Amino acid sequence: KQEVTQIPAALSVPEGENLVLNCSFTDSAIYNLQWFRQDPGKGLTSLLLIQSSQREQTSGRLNASLDKSSGRSTLYIAASQPGDSATYLCAVILGDDKIIFGKGTRLHILP
Amino acid sequence: DAGITQSPRHKVTETGTPVTLRCHQTENHRYMYWYRQDPGHGLRLIHYSYGVKDTDKGEVSDGYSVSRSKTEDFLLTLESATSSQTSVYFCAITEQGSGELFFGEGSRLTVL
Repeated sequence: KQEVTQIPAALSVPEGENLVLNCSFTDSAIYNLQWFRQDPGKGLTSLLLIQSSQREQTSGRLNASLDKSSGRSTLYIAASQPGDSATYLCAVILGDDKIIFGKGTRLHILP
Repeated sequence: DAGITQSPRHKVTETGTPVTLRCHQTENHRYMYWYRQDPGHGLRLIHYSYGVKDTDKGEVSDGYSVSRSKTEDFLLTLESATSSQTSVYFCAITEQGSGELFFGEGSRLTVL
């Protein structure tokens, strides 16, 4: 059974630091992996989608990598800002269209 | 935002009453999903649909039913709401081609 784990559950870092959020999954037979951000009381906003044939995707200060063989994805945030404070979730999309979510990392950027 | 709207956005109801949440999309996506999000449990799939009149159960489907009579609308019904169904409900779609998942803004349901 596919399981998706995000560690740590919460993280606080000073503004300006580069940081890495982790997502691990137990079964490497995934179709896609997607990162989201969720602000309090809001829906999930798609950040980056990495398709199974890709190793990474970049959008602005965000870079997501995927290593299927080791069951890991990382979300790198460069030069963090207070506006980056949110919960970040990863989701693994399986070949049978099942989608498994991690429970998220709650990120707080200290001004 | 993939043109997803959920209604109502907030609802307070009493135990035993029926509740219907609506998810409406404007871009003809085939796959639609209903999730609930609860502290400590994360996002859990309730039901999903892969076309008009084609639906299937997710991991927490007990107490819920769905209908999809038109491509653009996916309805989630609680036939007799219970306090354990107090939650935030999210609708999502999968964009054809890329497989990217997009979410609506959520519907906060409180069952007293």
